Amino acid sequence: NAGVTQTPKFQVLKTGQSMTLQCAQDMNHEYMSWYRQDPGMGLRLIHYSVGAGITDQGEVPNGYNVSRSTTEDFPLRLLSAAPSQTSVYFCASSYSDRGLNYGYTFGSGTRLTVV
Amino acid sequence: DAKTTQPTSMDCAEGRAANLPCNHSTISGNEYVYWYRQIHSQGPQYIIHGLKNNETNEMASLIITEDRKSSTLILPHATLRDTAVYYCIVRATTSGTYKYIFGTGTRLKVLA
Repeated sequence: NAGVTQTPKFQVLKTGQSMTLQCAQDMNHEYMSWYRQDPGMGLRLIHYSVGAGITDQGEVPNGYNVSRSTTEDFPLRLLSAAPSQTSVYFCASSYSDRGLNYGYTFGSGTRLTVV
Repeated sequence: DAKTTQPTSMDCAEGRAANLPCNHSTISGNEYVYWYRQIHSQGPQYIIHGLKNNETNEMASLIITEDRKSSTLILPHATLRDTAVYYCIVRATTSGTYKYIFGTGTRLKVLA
């Protein structure tokens, strides 16, 4: 099925551990983004990409790295996990056509707990 | 980047129209208004977007005022499954790139 696939769905980390959240889309979308959503809060943009090889910071980039080596994949790396990074992480992708930007398609999320 | 202001919560009776307002008084001329919703803890779902004309699709209608400083999302016949948090977003552009900034949204509760 076409869409945005995030893995894993659930993860528990110990403080100081590192890990990579995977995100893949098969719709050939050029735009991809990572958001985090803390309990009862809205979504905050971590990093985004407008194409392979191009990434930029969002609202809350500290503690996270991203890369975009292919159009399909946009992994999010936690460098040294902290309890403050306990959150639900959403990946999303979108595209534009003749100057019109279309809506984002979101993945189902990764629920991360840092203990 | 244009910011948006939405009411924190709203209730709507099942079968009635739900009208969700959004203020975006600092919107620029080439910025679009997008609406998403998030049901429980699922990933947000795109609903509709527009620039200055009213838009309608199978999910909802979007009414943008002539001065573009505010908009209203209309769910014509709300059902219990429309209970969700609704986000109004203005597309931000910086040096040819763009990013979405989500606000806190409106929590819509559809009542039986």
